[in-house]
Amino acid sequence: QVQLQQSGPGLVKPSQTLSLTCAVSGDSVSSNTASWNWIRQSPSRGLEWLGRTYYRSTWLDAYAVSVQSRIKISPDTSKNQFSLQLSSVTPEDTAVYYCAREESGGFDTWGQGILVTVSS
Amino acid sequence: QSALTQPASVSGSPGQSITISCTGTSSDVGSYNLVSWYQHHPGKAPKLIISEASKRPSGVSNRFSGSKSGNTASLTISGLQAEDEADYYCCSYAGYTFVFGGGTKLTVL
Repeated sequence: QVQLQQSGPGLVKPSQTLSLTCAVSGDSVSSNTASWNWIRQSPSRGLEWLGRTYYRSTWLDAYAVSVQSRIKISPDTSKNQFSLQLSSVTPEDTAVYYCAREESGGFDTWGQGILVTVSS
Repeated sequence: QSALTQPASVSGSPGQSITISCTGTSSDVGSYNLVSWYQHHPGKAPKLIISEASKRPSGVSNRFSGSKSGNTASLTISGLQAEDEADYYCCSYAGYTFVFGGGTKLTVL
């Protein structure tokens, strides 16, 4: 059974970098069939896909246009986890952040979610 | 990468059926069969209920069904139950990326 465990701070100051980690158990981040995603949810924007990292003979990533200039998603194979870094945050980035595994186009396993508030 | 279009809200009485539409473009829903649906109760992680437009993951009730025609996907919930009251989101693969719909609030009257 695949499980995802998220960690990271719940409060980030404006203009700083939001950093979250998602530890994977029951699967490998180096899987050739899955991708590892970050998704956020806010009352004003609903669910918003942010980006993913995945391995297909080499490491690949893809990001939403809305955040592509300030986002980085990275795998850590030694710890079987992946991370999110979102720079230059504003109060608009306040949301519940989820990590999720994707296979065949569906996000079938989700982390528990972390509420990240951007405030001074 | 515009969000997929869903109705903001739908409602139905227990035992009835409802359908939620999800309209995209030829760059996402219309080009791929990789449309998925999620049930989201406040305070919990979203749950995958339909993948690949019409496939039900193991353990999901057969009261949930999905379909797709052209640029529009649909989720039908039959035999509505009180526990179905939640937010529902569609999502489509869009070539390396994904895009969600704006979400639909289902109220069971």
